[in-house]
Amino acid sequence: GAGVSQSPSNKVTEKGKDVELRCDPISGHTALYWYRQRLGQGLEFLIYFQGNSAPDKSGLPSDRFSAERTGESVSTLTIQRTQQEDSAVYLCASSEYYRGAEAFFGQGTRLTVV
Amino acid sequence: AQKITQTQPGMFVQEKEAVTLDCTYDTSDPSYGLFWYKQPSSGEMIFLIYQGSYDQQNATEGRYSLNFQKARKSANLVISASQLGDSAMYFCAMREGNGQNFVFGPGTRLSVLP
Repeated sequence: GAGVSQSPSNKVTEKGKDVELRCDPISGHTALYWYRQRLGQGLEFLIYFQGNSAPDKSGLPSDRFSAERTGESVSTLTIQRTQQEDSAVYLCASSEYYRGAEAFFGQGTRLTVV
Repeated sequence: AQKITQTQPGMFVQEKEAVTLDCTYDTSDPSYGLFWYKQPSSGEMIFLIYQGSYDQQNATEGRYSLNFQKARKSANLVISASQLGDSAMYFCAMREGNGQNFVFGPGTRLSVLP
């Protein structure tokens, strides 16, 4: 595809359930980022993948959050035992390796925990 | 410590006037890139303009220009001839070197008044 694709676009889940969010980056982009954005707020960094390097997980808010990426392809962000405070838009972005490469963002997954 | 500071949570500007959105950054890396993104109410993240730390001239893209003052570590976005469609959140971001993570500022909400 031409851009970063995220699925689902919307997800409503019950408190305590696990959810999986998917991100398809732009082909050839070695870097992939996950952010959380609460309503009216800024971007909260979650995790960063760069090629085959160990991911930077420093932004994950708790051990309920995890993410995987196979090579330079699809990434999944998993939230276990969802809580109401997890309700937010989850944004994925990808970019090329070099410092001047812009990050291309997906449309986001709006997660609502009821 | 915050690496990207945007001191204006909200700004108002009259249509057709110019507006400057402030961004200061903190890094000891001599090689870095600075980015500005626009996020309208639709939620998409739109890349606007890029400035490299070694660039001698300020970046310009149409009505957008970046006032880059390296010694002051500031990278202010200037929007000339504001339009109603410019009303959005604006995020400043930095990437320190190749293969590094993006760091975003908290954003500035710009409202253009008719």
